[in-house]
Amino acid sequence: IAGITQAPTSQILAAGRRMTLRCTQDMRHNAMYWYRQDLGLGLRLIHYSNTAGTTGKGEVPDGYSVSRANTDDFPLTLASAVPSQTSVYFCASSEGVSSYNEQFFGPGTRLTVL
Amino acid sequence: AQSVTQLDSQVPVFEEAPVELRCNYSSSVSVYLFWYVQYPNQGLQLLLKYLSGSTLVKGINGFEAEFNKSQTSFHLRKPSVHISDTAEYFCAGTTGGTSYGKLTFGQGTILTVHP
Repeated sequence: IAGITQAPTSQILAAGRRMTLRCTQDMRHNAMYWYRQDLGLGLRLIHYSNTAGTTGKGEVPDGYSVSRANTDDFPLTLASAVPSQTSVYFCASSEGVSSYNEQFFGPGTRLTVL
Repeated sequence: AQSVTQLDSQVPVFEEAPVELRCNYSSSVSVYLFWYVQYPNQGLQLLLKYLSGSTLVKGINGFEAEFNKSQTSFHLRKPSVHISDTAEYFCAGTTGGTSYGKLTFGQGTILTVHP
């Protein structure tokens, strides 16, 4: 079934540890996004990629990095996790970068940093 | 910069009653607006979107929304809700230009449908 997969589903992490959240899409979409979802704040954009080989910063990029080596994969790395990064993380993709393109979302990764 | 505000954090309703979830946006340029639904422990799904043209937009599952430029609103409505509509709903917008594809989300509204 075509779509977006994220791994892991959930993770408990000690503060200071490094963590990579994985995201893979099989729809050959050009654009990909990482959001974090926090109660009362909705979803906030962390980083995005308009096409393979390019990335950009979103609204809340500090403490996170991304790479886009190919079309399908868009991993999000927390170099040194802090408790404020406890959140649910969603990866999304869209066919193009135009504003009217629908974004398709993965099932999310629930991350707890202790 | 654009902002999106959902005026109600929670909306409880009884089954078969009508519902309206309110969303206001701020922007000085043309906007594209979306409503997404998130069922428990799932990702977001697109309900409907406004790009241009008719201000009344129909989406999936019997939902519709009306774009009102003078009131900078994009409220979501359904004339008769079902238990299965219980979910969190997000309004989102983007202005195009250098904001290509970068959605700004509202805070979310939890719709709870009671039997």
